[in-house]
Amino acid sequence: AQKITQTQPGMFVQEKEAVTLDCTYDTSDPSYGLFWYKQPSSGEMIFLIYQGSYDQQNATEGRYSLNFQKARKSANLVISASQLGDSAMYFCAMREGPNFGNEKLTFGTGTRLTIIP
Amino acid sequence: DTAVSQTPKYLVTQMGNDKSIKCEQNLGHDTMYWYKQDSKKFLKIMFSYNNKELIINETVPNRFSPKSPDKAHLNLHINSLELGDSAVYFCASSPPLRDRGDGYTFGSGTRLTVV
Repeated sequence: AQKITQTQPGMFVQEKEAVTLDCTYDTSDPSYGLFWYKQPSSGEMIFLIYQGSYDQQNATEGRYSLNFQKARKSANLVISASQLGDSAMYFCAMREGPNFGNEKLTFGTGTRLTIIP
Repeated sequence: DTAVSQTPKYLVTQMGNDKSIKCEQNLGHDTMYWYKQDSKKFLKIMFSYNNKELIINETVPNRFSPKSPDKAHLNLHINSLELGDSAVYFCASSPPLRDRGDGYTFGSGTRLTVV
C-alpha cells in the first residue's frame, strides 16, 4: 500500500488565487512527521513546511499552510495568493517514528502546479 | 555557503563504466542520505548513514556502494553502469530527531545519463 498518496498529477491555477494540493498518508505509527517540498524546473528540492503528528495547530510558513486532519490522515498544502514563481512540482513526504535508524522520508508521486497569468 | 553540495551536477557516461558522486554537508547533521529520482519524478531512498555507519540499504543493487569517510561526507560509487541507472541522484542530510521540525536539506542533484 502507498504510504503517501497525491491524487492530483497536475493542476492549473490562476495567479493570485489560493490553491490546495492534496496529500493523504498511511501509517500505524503514532509519531510521525509530514513534510512538503517544492521542486522548480531547475531541479533543486526546497523544504516548505513541516507538521508533527502531535502538533496541536496547523503549521504555517508565510503563504504556505498545512491543513492537517489527523483522523482523515490528510495533510494538504495550501498556498495563498499564488504567484508565477509557485509553478513547480510539489511533493508530500512522511517520516515515521522517531525510530532511530529509520529516519528516511517516503515521498508521494508529486503534483505539478502551473500558475496561469 | 552551500549547505549540502554534491558534485558533479551532470554526468554523462557509457554503459559499463564506473563513476562516483560526492556529497558534503556543512550543517553539522549526523545523518546523510542518497535518494534516486526516476524519469517520472518519483523519489526513493537508497541509503542512509548516521555518523559514518550504514543504517538503511533499501534493496539497491550491490553495484552501488556508498562510502562515508566522516559524518560530513557521503559519496556514492556506481560500478558497471547500466542504462536503467540514468536518473537524478540527490544527497540529503537531516538534523537530530529533537530538531525534526527542520526539514531535510537536499543537495542540488546529480543528473546521471548512461548512454
